[in-house]
Amino acid sequence: QKEVEQDPGPLSVPEGAIVSLNCTYSNSAFQYFMWYRQYSRKGPELLMYTYSSGNKEDGRFTAQVDKSSKYISLFIRDSQPSDSATYLCAMAGWAGNTPLVFGKGTRLSVIA
Amino acid sequence: GAVVSQHPSRVICKSGTSVKIECRSLDFQATTMFWYRQFPKQSLMLMATSNEGSKATYEQGVEKDKFLINHASLTLSTLTVTSAHPEDSSFYICSARGAAVAESSYNEQFFGPGTRLTVL
Repeated sequence: QKEVEQDPGPLSVPEGAIVSLNCTYSNSAFQYFMWYRQYSRKGPELLMYTYSSGNKEDGRFTAQVDKSSKYISLFIRDSQPSDSATYLCAMAGWAGNTPLVFGKGTRLSVIA
Repeated sequence: GAVVSQHPSRVICKSGTSVKIECRSLDFQATTMFWYRQFPKQSLMLMATSNEGSKATYEQGVEKDKFLINHASLTLSTLTVTSAHPEDSSFYICSARGAAVAESSYNEQFFGPGTRLTVL
């Protein structure tokens, strides 16, 4: 079993839809949970990070962490064509300097 | 956020040649830099971690003699792909991280824009 599992999609939704992206993990040592957005042929950019169970909201984006189930989600409200990208979840251990472990990424297309 | 640059953004070379990729942190001191490789439709795979002034730590399965990493200063790390072959064609991405503020705080990594290597 891989440390981080993420459905690669692709996921195609109409503009304005609510998008739900998910990852599961197996390593209990993970304490920091990140979501990155990667446009084609570009480096990843950090969207959000959390370090506890619960929800964190930033504009149209909501990150959700359930440590008991080892499950994290990213919700995108009122999705826009500009949200079309690959979304990668990433996780790290408690110490701030441990390497990130990435999911495979989910390719999202928002159709106008 | 902080800015990390990579150069070149794209390189095409003949099989057997060596290619050097530079990664620079433009507005902060990067005590740690990471090098990743990403194949099409795949996730980022960590190749190695380098700390300024120290030898790089390579992930299992990554040949250290083939992928030479130098982190000579707090703002520059280089990855040299030696004797490149077509199977080395990939998207190489670096990331940089400053010194940890505290043991329990998250220390963000900032990613470069990537370098697309094509070996003919």
